[in-house]
Amino acid sequence: DVKVTQSSRYLVKRTGEKVFLECVQDMDHENMFWYRQDPGLGLRLIYFSYDVKMKEKGDIPEGYSVSREKKERFSLILESASTNQTSMYLCASSNSSGGPIYGYTFGSGTRLTVV
Amino acid sequence: SQKIEQNSEALNIQEGKTATLTCNYTNYSPAYLQWYRQDPGRGPVFLLLIRENEKEKRKERLKVTFDTTLKQSLFHITASQPADSATYLCVPGSARQLTFGSGTQLTVLP
Repeated sequence: DVKVTQSSRYLVKRTGEKVFLECVQDMDHENMFWYRQDPGLGLRLIYFSYDVKMKEKGDIPEGYSVSREKKERFSLILESASTNQTSMYLCASSNSSGGPIYGYTFGSGTRLTVV
Repeated sequence: SQKIEQNSEALNIQEGKTATLTCNYTNYSPAYLQWYRQDPGRGPVFLLLIRENEKEKRKERLKVTFDTTLKQSLFHITASQPADSATYLCVPGSARQLTFGSGTQLTVLP
């Protein structure tokens, strides 16, 4: 089974800190995504990547950046954490070949609290 | 802008009955539609996909319909069990990106 591993389940950071959220997948998927999930708002796409060193902005990229230096790893960076970035962060991956029929595989999520 | 509406935020149903969840979308013409299950504090898990040229898809106790004229998908769980209690997300897609709704929280009462 495809596995998407997020480095931390829970994180508490201070306002203004630079925060790194790491995501690793083990099935050679081309596509990787970062979402945040807030009550009543569903999952919102922050950034995505279809290839190494490639990145594209999603719906809510402000305050975030990403890095994809290796195919299996996709990092989300909060340049200067703010309290409105307190949220559940979910990483996902998918395969390009075969299209969407296998769906996205999600990690277990990182619940980030910025104080 | 694209909009996804799932029938209600919460649905309670008695064990053994069929649960029916509704997903309506607007300003959108998806080539396919996926359904996911999400348990509290966990990431969503892919259940199944139905394409725009398919009317119905089944997987074990799950059945999904897709009506592109009505812009609606129905998700059925037959012989529901308490273990089916979770949030179910309807996800229309047209490329490699997906648009997620807030989901419907299903509770199956014993």
